Amino acid sequence: EPEVTQTPSHQVTQMGQEVILRCVPISNHLYFYWYRQILGQKVEFLVSFYNNEISEKSEIFDDQFSVERPDGSNFTLKIRSTKLEDSAMYFCASSRRSNTGELFFGEGSRLTVL
Amino acid sequence: GDSVTQMEGPVTLSEEAFLTINCTYTATGYPSLFWYVQYPGEGLQLLLKATKADDKGSNKGFEATYRKETTSFHLEKGSVQVSDSAVYFCALSVLYGNNRLAFGKGNQVVVIP
Repeated sequence: EPEVTQTPSHQVTQMGQEVILRCVPISNHLYFYWYRQILGQKVEFLVSFYNNEISEKSEIFDDQFSVERPDGSNFTLKIRSTKLEDSAMYFCASSRRSNTGELFFGEGSRLTVL
Repeated sequence: GDSVTQMEGPVTLSEEAFLTINCTYTATGYPSLFWYVQYPGEGLQLLLKATKADDKGSNKGFEATYRKETTSFHLEKGSVQVSDSAVYFCALSVLYGNNRLAFGKGNQVVVIP
């Protein structure tokens, strides 16, 4: 069964360092997303991406964050200069359509900023 | 803003017991409501959904009814199995043409043999 895969599963970094989280969405999906969950808090929407551009972003997704689909298969989230409060589980998701609410999620990448 | 609240804390119960996980929502429009489940070592996956008031979503023996009068979407299963051990997330989506979901914190469910 097709699945969304994410790497790395866990990354530890120092504050101020750049981090890139990688995702391979399901191959025939057109819409891509990043969500995150800080420990003990709700899963939060970060950004949605379609047709090689951001379609929507939350207030969390500031200038420190960027996304791209560099080669038609990978979908990456970059955090330019990490802060302690960026420590969270980051989930990538993809979907075939934009309005069904049916997203397919990866297992998540746990980011720990020291 | 639009939000979902799930009952606090993990849920531990014995096999064949009845499971209820409470979920209430706040939304300005007419949301669609969802339950997602995350099994150990896997990503979140859609369990069931309901798109309008009084709809009942069901899957794998789980059910949830969209109650507009109480702004609730409680998840129930009559007889749980060990394989139902997972984290369960309630979520909503308000804007048409948008898969931006507002999730709750999730509830860890542990079923003991």
